[in-house]
Amino acid sequence: DVKVTQSSRYLVKRTGEKVFLECVQDMDHENMFWYRQDPGLGLRLIYFSYDVKMKEKGDIPEGYSVSREKKERFSLILESASTNQTSMYLCASAPLDRVRTFSNQPQHFGDGTRLSIL
Amino acid sequence: DQQVKQNSPSLSVQEGRISILNCDYTNSMFDYFLWYKKYPAEGPTFLISISSIKDKNEDGRFTVFLNKSAKHLSLHIVPSQPGDSAVYFCAAIHVRNYGSGNTGKLIFGQGTTLQVKP
Repeated sequence: DVKVTQSSRYLVKRTGEKVFLECVQDMDHENMFWYRQDPGLGLRLIYFSYDVKMKEKGDIPEGYSVSREKKERFSLILESASTNQTSMYLCASAPLDRVRTFSNQPQHFGDGTRLSIL
Repeated sequence: DQQVKQNSPSLSVQEGRISILNCDYTNSMFDYFLWYKKYPAEGPTFLISISSIKDKNEDGRFTVFLNKSAKHLSLHIVPSQPGDSAVYFCAAIHVRNYGSGNTGKLIFGQGTTLQVKP
């Protein structure tokens, strides 16, 4: 079974702090993703990475950055935390489809980090 | 602009009856559509998917129907069980080439909370 582990289940930080959220997967997946989940908005993609040191912006990248120095680890960084970044953050991983058949490769999610910015 | 919409925030059905969850989308470039189930305090788990070239996919009690002309898909659960009570997210993906393979961004709907009453 795929295991995606997020370092914290709950986190409380103050406005202006630099916040690091860590995610580790154990299935050698090329793709890793960071989402936030808010009531009435579903899951929205912040950033994703398809290889080490590679990153792509998602739909809401403002105020965030990411780091992928090792294949198994994908970090989300809140450069200067603000109250509107209070949310549930979810990490996911998926294999890259190398055979170009465009077959579907579902993403596997961690259990989330509930982040509160005070 | 919400590309994937779930217009019903909640649905309640009796155990043993059919649950029908609906989803609409606007982007005709989507290649796959997926359904995820989410329990409280857990990450979403993949349930079932359908390729844009199909109109039906079945897996046990779960069937997904795709109507491309209407840009509409639905998830049928028959028979519904109390353990099916969860939030269901519809998602869509447009597969593209990244690096040495293919992947894409999942676009999620807002979610529908299903309650199955004993």
